[in-house]
Amino acid sequence: GAVVSQHPSWVICKSGTSVKIECRSLDFQATTMFWYRQFPKQSLMLMATSNEGSKATYEQGVEKDKFLINHASLTLSTLTVTSAHPEDSSFYICSARSRLAGAGELFFGEGSRLTVL
Amino acid sequence: AQTVTQSQPEMSVQEAETVTLSCTYDTSESDYYLFWYKQPPSRQMILVIRQEAYKQQNATENRFSVNFQKAAKSFSLKISDSQLGDAAMYFCAYRSAIAGNTPLVFGKGTRLSVIA
Repeated sequence: GAVVSQHPSWVICKSGTSVKIECRSLDFQATTMFWYRQFPKQSLMLMATSNEGSKATYEQGVEKDKFLINHASLTLSTLTVTSAHPEDSSFYICSARSRLAGAGELFFGEGSRLTVL
Repeated sequence: AQTVTQSQPEMSVQEAETVTLSCTYDTSESDYYLFWYKQPPSRQMILVIRQEAYKQQNATENRFSVNFQKAAKSFSLKISDSQLGDAAMYFCAYRSAIAGNTPLVFGKGTRLSVIA
């Protein structure tokens, strides 16, 4: 199956700093990337959708200036949490769509656990 | 907007027994996909089974099968011969087939415990 690599798997940072999370499709071209956030014991909530070469579309309530998403190539999307605060501590997961995938399946990265002190 | 409802926050099953996890969804679309994902403590999302809405036949993957009732908008997951490794969080998810760049919409999840 298609592989999506997400890095780093966990990161601890100080309040006010910025953190970048990378999501790479290793063996396919990801035409669309989705970024989700998951708080402890909760479900995955969509943050934004990004199509390669276009600006990301953010869900209501997600600050686009705080969560910067870049999808500059068909194999890489990045999420940058700017001026992180403790309330941004969460588990962030990317998922990618391959135009070759059947049955609507999306492929998930391993997730990144962010802790802001 | 589509919604997915999982009414069982927690379920438990005896090892080797069968358990059914419930899922209902709300949509006005006729063409879509439905999925069950497993999330173990590692938090990696693992696809368990998928169903295309246009297919009447229920999907089956080894010990996992679904009961897809399109008119009732119900999509339950049956796990047969439960194993200790099945213990995890299970999410039901909906994805529109209207366009290629539609996201997955998740239910709140059901935490499954398997008792030895």
